[in-house]
Amino acid sequence: NAGVTQTPKFRVLKTGQSMTLLCAQDMNHEYMYWYRQDPGMGLRLIHYSVGEGTTAKGEVPDGYNVSRLKKQNFLLGLESAAPSQTSVYFCASVSGGGGGYGYTFGSGTRLTVV
Amino acid sequence: KQEVTQIPAALSVPEGENLVLNCSFTDSAIYNLQWFRQDPGKGLTSLLLIQSSQREQTSGRLNASLDKSSGRSTLYIAASQPGDSATYLCAVNTGTASKLTFGTGTRLQVTL
Repeated sequence: NAGVTQTPKFRVLKTGQSMTLLCAQDMNHEYMYWYRQDPGMGLRLIHYSVGEGTTAKGEVPDGYNVSRLKKQNFLLGLESAAPSQTSVYFCASVSGGGGGYGYTFGSGTRLTVV
Repeated sequence: KQEVTQIPAALSVPEGENLVLNCSFTDSAIYNLQWFRQDPGKGLTSLLLIQSSQREQTSGRLNASLDKSSGRSTLYIAASQPGDSATYLCAVNTGTASKLTFGTGTRLQVTL
């Protein structure tokens, strides 16, 4: 099925551990995004990419790194996890220049840092 | 900095009622506004997108309006059904890389 796939769906990390969240889309979308969702705060943009090989910071980038080596994949890395990074992470993609039509979200990764 | 507010935070209505969800934003320089639906433990599903030059969009029982000058949008749901129970999120697109700024959502429960 066409769409955005996130792996893993759930993960528990210890403080200080590292991990990578993978986002893959098969719609040939140019733009990809990582958001985090916390209770009472809505979704906030972490990092985004407007094309293969490009990345840019969003609203809350500290503690995260990203890479977009292939157009269809967007990776989010946590180098040293902290309890404040406990959240639900959503990846999204959209066609570039489309004004936001066809925004597609993954089903999310629920991360707990203990 | 763009800020998006949604009122009410939660709403419970009996089946069959018409209802209105509200969204307000602080910077009227938007490219478009979208309404999303989120079911518990799931991702977001796009419902309606209104361009900045438009006043409203309709899809089935849903109607979204936009008053850019006053920084407001409403989502009208007609003849509500239990299947409409979900969280509804409003998001504004300022145009730069199609980044979205989200409100905190309205959690809707439609009871039998």
